[in-house]
Amino acid sequence: AQSVTQLGSHVSVSEGALVLLRCNYSSSVPPYLFWYVQYPNQGLQLLLKYTSAATLVKGINGFEAEFKKSETSFHLTKPSAHMSDAAEYFCAVSKGGSYIPTFGRGTSLIVHP
Amino acid sequence: KAGVTQTPRYLIKTRGQQVTLSCSPISGHRSVSWYQQTPGQGLQFLFEYFSETQRNKGNFPGRFSGRQFSNSRSEMNVSTLELGDSALYLCASFLASEETQYFGPGTRLLVL
Repeated sequence: AQSVTQLGSHVSVSEGALVLLRCNYSSSVPPYLFWYVQYPNQGLQLLLKYTSAATLVKGINGFEAEFKKSETSFHLTKPSAHMSDAAEYFCAVSKGGSYIPTFGRGTSLIVHP
Repeated sequence: KAGVTQTPRYLIKTRGQQVTLSCSPISGHRSVSWYQQTPGQGLQFLFEYFSETQRNKGNFPGRFSGRQFSNSRSEMNVSTLELGDSALYLCASFLASEETQYFGPGTRLLVL
C-alpha cells in the first residue's frame, strides 16, 4: 500500500520568504511523486513530478522538489514567495502504470504582504 | 491542445434527485478518473475508466456510477442524492506515457 503525509494543514509565510511544504510518502516500489496546486474553485494543476530521473525536480512558477529516498520525502520549495502562490498544495504518490495515485490531505499556503 | 473539460461547472439539486456530470479528457487520453473533494474528507478516488471499462474503483456506495464512451468522454451519475454528496467533483485524464493525471476544473455540486 502507498500513503502520503503532508505535514501541516496550513503554512504561513511572508511575501519574499522561503516556501517549504513537506511531504513524506510510503511505497512498496520505487514511486512516482507529484505536486499539484489548486486555486479556489479550480481543479488541480500539475506543478512538478518525479519519475525516477533526476532527484531534484524543477516545476512551474519557480517551485522545485527534491526526492530523498533515505528520508522518504519529497518536499516542495520556492526561494521567494509571491502573493499569487497562495493556494492549496497536494502531494501525491503512485506506483506507476495503471495504479491510481494516492493524494495527501493538502497544505494551504498563506502568503502575507 | 485543449485541457480536460467538465460540464456543468455548478449544479444545485435537492435530496433524492439524481445528477449526471460530464467529462471530456485531453485528446488522445484514454483513461478518465473521477474524484470527490470535500473539506472534511479531502480528495477521494471514485473510479477510473479505460477504453470504456471500469479499471479501478474506490470505496463509494453503488449510488455512484459512471461510464465511458468510445470517444473517451465519461459521465458520472449519482442517484438518490444526499446532503453529504455536496462536493467538488473532479475529473482527470491520464496518459500512460507521461505517468501523469491532468485535472479538469471540476463541477461544484450543492445538494439542498
